Amino acid sequence: DTGVSQDPRHKITKRGQNVTFRCDPISEHNRLYWYRQTLGQGPEFLTYFQNEAQLEKSRLLSDRFSAERPKGSFSTLEIQRTEQGDSAMYLCASEDRGGGGNTIYFGEGSWLTVV
Amino acid sequence: QKEVEQNSGPLSVPEGAIASLNCTYSDRGSQSFFWYRQYSGKSPELIMFIYSNGDKEDGRFTAQLNKASQYVSLLIRDSQPSDSATYLCAVNNEKLTFGTGTRLTIIP
Repeated sequence: DTGVSQDPRHKITKRGQNVTFRCDPISEHNRLYWYRQTLGQGPEFLTYFQNEAQLEKSRLLSDRFSAERPKGSFSTLEIQRTEQGDSAMYLCASEDRGGGGNTIYFGEGSWLTVV
Repeated sequence: QKEVEQNSGPLSVPEGAIASLNCTYSDRGSQSFFWYRQYSGKSPELIMFIYSNGDKEDGRFTAQLNKASQYVSLLIRDSQPSDSATYLCAVNNEKLTFGTGTRLTIIP
């Protein structure tokens, strides 16, 4: 069990550019979540997957955001035409739903700074 | 009304004392509740979860749940400077919904 892995850990991008974050969940965890966190706030839910199916998207997830989880393994979160308001820490988490405990573990996060 | 509410603090507690962190939630049907600790610049780290009314103890930490009052709390006994962090309360209804967190400072 190597934990939830996120890449890159830090990204600085110019406004208008596209960025993509990758998340590798804990092996065999069937659920994967994406959250966004800004300073002084708790993590805000963006979307989640059960295996490869995207089950829910927050209204925070504008049409500039897209997430995928091909084959139910790793996931990517892409932000197109970045804006300064997208600057935040993007957190990925995974869970072995149905495996008992319903415990959700977070990765170390990907920091995005849009300049 | 926010789904999960916490006092943002800061809460200052002398070293060795008991720190008490509180959380209320709005969805009466919620079944599972979590406490995460978050150090500055780091991601949330799970401390405890609780499903049933009453107390659940794990080392220096005790989680308390009162579903009738829609109230969850976390007690930290023998507070240490390393406990200084933001504590996030979360309710799991298909996904975790977090409060804004309470910033705790343990004063040596």
